[in-house]
Amino acid sequence: GAVVSQHPSWVICKSGTSVKIECRSLDFQATTMFWYRQFPKQSLMLMATSNEGSKATYEQGVEKDKFLINHASLTLSTLTVTSAHPEDSSFYICSAREGSVNNNEQFFGPGTRLTVL
Amino acid sequence: AQTVTQSQPEMSVQEAETVTLSCTYDTSESDYYLFWYKQPPSRQMILVIRQEAYKQQNATENRFSVNFQKAAKSFSLKISDSQLGDAAMYFCAYRSRGSQGNLIFGKGTKLSVKP
Repeated sequence: GAVVSQHPSWVICKSGTSVKIECRSLDFQATTMFWYRQFPKQSLMLMATSNEGSKATYEQGVEKDKFLINHASLTLSTLTVTSAHPEDSSFYICSAREGSVNNNEQFFGPGTRLTVL
Repeated sequence: AQTVTQSQPEMSVQEAETVTLSCTYDTSESDYYLFWYKQPPSRQMILVIRQEAYKQQNATENRFSVNFQKAAKSFSLKISDSQLGDAAMYFCAYRSRGSQGNLIFGKGTKLSVKP
C-alpha cells in the first residue's frame, strides 16, 4: 500500500518557539492532505484539510495563525506550530489522499509527538 | 453535522474467540463511506475494513467483518479467531461521499486480547 512518512517522529521544544512537522507521500501524489490532532486516550480530531497549491481549510476552533499549513507540492505538506505553548503538546497525525473525490482511500503517517516545555 | 458514537470504551476477548465492537452514526446523507481503523501502541493508523453505504452486502476482510444496518445507522465490527496482535484501539469513522475526504472518528474502543 501507499506510504506516508512524517518527520520528526517526536520533538521537544521550549515554550514560545516554533516547530515544523513534515508529511510526505512517498510513492503517490497527494492531492489532499489532512492534519489531525490526538490527545492521550482520545480520538483523532481533524484540524485542517489542505489541497496542493491552495490555502488550507481549517476546522472550527483551530487557529490558522497558530497552526500554519503549507501544501506546496503533491508530495509534501508541512504543519508549523508557531509560538508553541504546553497546551499544544499532543500527537499530530497527517494523512494523504490520492486522486479524485471518489477515491476514498486515506493513508496515514506514523504521527509526531510534540512536547512543549 | 455527522457524528459517530462508539459506546464501548473498552472490550476484552479471549484469544481465538470472537468479539464485536459497536458503532452507531448519525447523518442525513444517503451516500457515504464507513470505516474501521486500528491503532496499535505504535500509534500508526491502519485501515481494517470499509463499507460503502450504497452496497447492501457486508464487507469482509479475512477475520474481520462488519454488520452494516443502514436504517438503524449501525456499523459493528466482528473479529473472529482473535489474535494477540489484534489488541489495539479501534476507531469507527464516517466520510461523506461528496466531501473532500475528511474522516469523522468515534472516540474509540480499546480491545484487549487475553492469552
